[in-house]
Amino acid sequence: EVQLVESGGGLVQPGGSLRLSCAASGFTFSSYEMNWVRQAPGKGLEWVSYISSSGSTIYYADSVKGRFTISRDNAKNSVYLQMNSLRAEDTAVYYCASLSKGIWGQGTMVTVSS
Amino acid sequence: QSVLTQPPSVSAAPGQKVTISCSGSSSNIGNNYVSWYQQLPGTAPKLLIYDNNKRPSGIPDRFSGSKSGTSATLGITGLQTGDEADYYCGTWDSSLSAVWVFGGGTKLTVL
Repeated sequence: EVQLVESGGGLVQPGGSLRLSCAASGFTFSSYEMNWVRQAPGKGLEWVSYISSSGSTIYYADSVKGRFTISRDNAKNSVYLQMNSLRAEDTAVYYCASLSKGIWGQGTMVTVSS
Repeated sequence: QSVLTQPPSVSAAPGQKVTISCSGSSSNIGNNYVSWYQQLPGTAPKLLIYDNNKRPSGIPDRFSGSKSGTSATLGITGLQTGDEADYYCGTWDSSLSAVWVFGGGTKLTVL
C-alpha cells in the first residue's frame, strides 16, 4: 500500500524547535520529489518546502525561509522538516506529500503556544 | 491573499454540474501545469486532476480539468452529496524563486 506517515508534531513554545518526520512505503521513494504543506486551523493549504528526489534542489516559502530546513534520507525512505524559531502563526497541520505522484500523508498537528 | 484566485464557495443540486475557476498569471498557470485537489472534512487533500486535465487512477470521469491562458477550471458533473468538500488548485510559480502555490480553496455545497 502506498503510504506516507508523518510524526513529530506537538505543542511547543514560541521560539522553540520541532523536527517532523515522514516515512514512506509502497513506492520508490528515491524517485520522487517531496514537499511539506501546512494548513492552519480553518484555513487553506500553504506550501512550505520542496526537496528533489536526490536532495540536490530545495525550495522554501518566504514565510519559513531561514527558519525551516527540509532534508531526506533515501536509504530510510524518509523526509524531514526541522523547524526552528517557531511562531504562533506556524500553528497548523503539516502534511508531507509527493505533489507529482499525488500522495499525501494524514498530517501531524503542530501547535505553537505559551 | 492567495496567488491563485478561486471563488470562496459554489453550490448546486445533486445530479447537476458545477465548475470552479482558478485564476493566476503568466508566472504560474500561464506557464505551468495545474493540479486540483479535493479535501473532504477532516481528511488530507486528495489529487483529482494533474497536468491540467489528467485524472489519476480511480478518479471518476465526472471530474475534469481544463486550462486556458492564465486560468484553469475544474468541472464536476453528476453531483453527489459525497462531493461536498473544499477544492484547491495548485501549480508552480516562478516569478522570483520557484515556489508551489495553492488557490484559496472553494467550498462546494451540494444542496
